[in-house]
Amino acid sequence: DQQVKQNSPSLSVQEGRISILNCDYTNSMFDYFLWYKKYPAEGPTFLISISSIKDKNEDGRFTVFLNKSAKHLSLHIVPSQPGDSAVYFCAASGNTGNQFYFGTGTSLTVIP
Amino acid sequence: DVKVTQSSRYLVKRTGEKVFLECVQDMDHENMFWYRQDPGLGLRLIYFSYDVKMKEKGDIPEGYSVSREKKERFSLILESASTNQTSMYLCASSLGLNHEAFFGQGTRLTVV
Repeated sequence: DQQVKQNSPSLSVQEGRISILNCDYTNSMFDYFLWYKKYPAEGPTFLISISSIKDKNEDGRFTVFLNKSAKHLSLHIVPSQPGDSAVYFCAASGNTGNQFYFGTGTSLTVIP
Repeated sequence: DVKVTQSSRYLVKRTGEKVFLECVQDMDHENMFWYRQDPGLGLRLIYFSYDVKMKEKGDIPEGYSVSREKKERFSLILESASTNQTSMYLCASSLGLNHEAFFGQGTRLTVV
């Protein structure tokens, strides 16, 4: 059973606009959340994380928002650039076992 | 700079062969992971190790085994390769589950 879900397999955005990628989770014991970016034929690269004690974390063009009551997190990329075109995975961990749980990914295309 | 290195980028093996995938990290991390990535399924955990000679099964351990004789090295073994093990294999390491995991570049394994 998928504990971390990314319900949008793909997203297209114009260059310069905001990209919003969404992620939902089911396990209330998760307390650490991460976003990864992956290009084809490469390993995922860590982007940004957030602890459950916060509701927002920013790093340059990337901001992650966490809504614990809704069990929802989102990644905002502003402004979007063509080089941001990749598959984005959200992940979660906590006192639930010894692993990171990953979503199925959202493929972002930024159109020049 | 943080580094996780997988021994091969691409591998082609025959059905029934024993296959070894090697992973080395230079960050002195306790935790190491093997995931496989398949389209529409995201990253699924095969095995996890939290210390030398320690291992735990992930979500899909069937047909695989692992070895961790040294802290920096975590090997994935396919005992008898089958075509349904054709996949992208990703090794990762982390300080802990409230720290980001760093991934290797991935091994694209094709079993024919």
